[in-house]
Amino acid sequence: TQLLEQSPQFLSIQEGENLTVYCNSSSVFSSLQWYRQEPGEGPVLLVTVVTGGEVKKLKRLTFQFGDARKDSSLHITAAQPGDTGLYLCAGVKRAAGNKLTFGGGTRVLVKP
Amino acid sequence: DVKVTQSSRYLVKRTGEKVFLECVQDMDHENMFWYRQDPGLGLRLIYFSYDVKMKEKGDIPEGYSVSREKKERFSLILESASTNQTSMYLCASSLFSLRAKNIQYFGAGTRLSVL
Repeated sequence: TQLLEQSPQFLSIQEGENLTVYCNSSSVFSSLQWYRQEPGEGPVLLVTVVTGGEVKKLKRLTFQFGDARKDSSLHITAAQPGDTGLYLCAGVKRAAGNKLTFGGGTRVLVKP
Repeated sequence: DVKVTQSSRYLVKRTGEKVFLECVQDMDHENMFWYRQDPGLGLRLIYFSYDVKMKEKGDIPEGYSVSREKKERFSLILESASTNQTSMYLCASSLFSLRAKNIQYFGAGTRLSVL
């Protein structure tokens, strides 16, 4: 059983559509990160959210941290083929030092 | 520019072989990590290191060991490779920080197949 559950595991949409990826846990995290991984590459950090209820925007990507700091979502508006990739959420707990706990990932395919 | 380099992109080994995966970072980071990545399971931490010659077990250390003789280099060792160790292996590094941010920088990964 994973500490961070991501849903859905796979998402295939047409260019221009919107999508939302969820990252849920029963544990509280001091912060949460979202990474994107493209084929043949390592994950690259997109954003870190720290405060409960925080919303961060990165162009067409909107990230939200739940009020209780147990869950997060990533919403992509008007998806483009360049958004295709594996999206990973990762939680940080102060008590765990500098370790990250990763979710299982959501594979997103945006078709032209 | 931040760089984490893994020595091999692809490796094919036989069951029982001793396997070394090498990782080098050029950012003077204190922390280094080894993960394996399997479909649907995300990244699972094998071992990590906060400093030279220092190592700590992650969530799935069985069948693996590590070595950190220099700050910039962190090696993952499979003492006797088995087929269930076929996976993508990712190395990462980060600055030591008492704050929560802990941004990790990843290498491109080594895809290991054990036959």
